[in-house]
Amino acid sequence: GESVGLHLPTLSVQEGDNSIINCAYSNSASDYFIWYKQESGKGPQFIIDIRSNMDKRQGQRVTVLLNKTVKHLSLQIAATQPGDSAVYFCAGAYSGAGSYQLTFGKGTKLSVIP
Amino acid sequence: SAVISQKPSRDICQRGTSLTIQCQVDSQVTMMFWYRQQPGQSLTLIATANQGSEATYESGFVIDKFPISRPNLTFSTLTVSNMSPEDSSIYLCSVAGTPSTDTQYFGPGTRLTVL
Repeated sequence: GESVGLHLPTLSVQEGDNSIINCAYSNSASDYFIWYKQESGKGPQFIIDIRSNMDKRQGQRVTVLLNKTVKHLSLQIAATQPGDSAVYFCAGAYSGAGSYQLTFGKGTKLSVIP
Repeated sequence: SAVISQKPSRDICQRGTSLTIQCQVDSQVTMMFWYRQQPGQSLTLIATANQGSEATYESGFVIDKFPISRPNLTFSTLTVSNMSPEDSSIYLCSVAGTPSTDTQYFGPGTRLTVL
């Protein structure tokens, strides 16, 4: 079945530097991926998504890269700020029973050093 | 995206009791889901809440333990029945269908502690 995992459980970066959070997936049938940010005591917040027919998508200060050959995606955060400190989850989706069901990775805790 | 609220935000319960968690959305949505997030862990899908029919449960979750209702397109409840300390988790609802059926948006979660 689908499994989505992260390479690193924790990441510390200096304020102003760029952050890169990695994620690997196993199911080649996955056709949609989402990155979520979860701050302490809150629900996951949608950051950015990408479909399998794309290899890059950019948002505000964030970029998601998808490499289908090696089943890997990454989230890049430019000019990391203290407010970016949170746990980041990648999630993979596949069409099942007429709806997209998400499988979440373990999460990476990003700590920004002021 | 839709505004999602959950009640209660947190609760402390005695083992053997049941708790019903409510999820309210400010607009009609196609899909509603319930997840569990154990302390320090990732999210695990419990079930898909279907309007007008029985929920679709994932492997390892059963209706007797986690009965779910979805009477309309903006509201759902999850009950955690006959609770034990192992049920201590954050329970999250999510919705999809506005603006697309693909992207899921999450509520703030209900933090449950079972003593």
